[in-house]
Amino acid sequence: GENVEQHPSTLSVQEGDSAVIKCTYSDSASNYFPWYKQELGKRPQLIIDIRSNVGEKKDQRIAVTLNKTAKHFSLHITETQPEDSAVYFCAVSSNDYKLSFGAGTTVTVRA
Amino acid sequence: EPEVTQTPSHQVTQMGQEVILRCVPISNHLYFYWYRQILGQKVEFLVSFYNNEISEKSEIFDDQFSVERPDGSNFTLKIRSTKLEDSAMYFCASNLEDRMAGEGYGYTFGSGTRLTVV
Repeated sequence: GENVEQHPSTLSVQEGDSAVIKCTYSDSASNYFPWYKQELGKRPQLIIDIRSNVGEKKDQRIAVTLNKTAKHFSLHITETQPEDSAVYFCAVSSNDYKLSFGAGTTVTVRA
Repeated sequence: EPEVTQTPSHQVTQMGQEVILRCVPISNHLYFYWYRQILGQKVEFLVSFYNNEISEKSEIFDDQFSVERPDGSNFTLKIRSTKLEDSAMYFCASNLEDRMAGEGYGYTFGSGTRLTVV
């Protein structure tokens, strides 16, 4: 099955700084790469996603980059705010549409 | 915005008992899923369901588990003879995929059912 590695497991940043989380995957057939934000006790919320025919996508302070050759993709959060504190999960899917998740990154934004 | 609804939000059950977790996917979605998240761990795929049958299942989804879409709106996960290690948050999800066009639309997750086996 798909193996998704996510780093770092924890990330502490000063408010206003940027945060970067990276995921690598093993299946070259993977073609859909979403990122989810999960607050304590709540459901995963989709924050951004990218498909394999696109190298980069941006939505306000959040961006995702994809390198299909190297099989890795990254989440970039700029101008971090305290409300960005949460656990972030990357996920990968291919034509079977099931999601394989990374282990998660706990992001703490220090005020 | 349409939501996936799950009931109950929290279920406590005795070890060995059967539980049924319920989900109402978004009405025009075609693909339904159950995922599990043990406390502090990642979300894990259990099963996908399309056209009234299982399309894929993980190694976790053994004979102890079953899914059903008993009517046009509900999607249920049954866990027989529950074990302590079944304690987890169970998320239902649905999405609308157009396989012919090769296009997919992001999942919508329900708010989850926290299952505690004692």
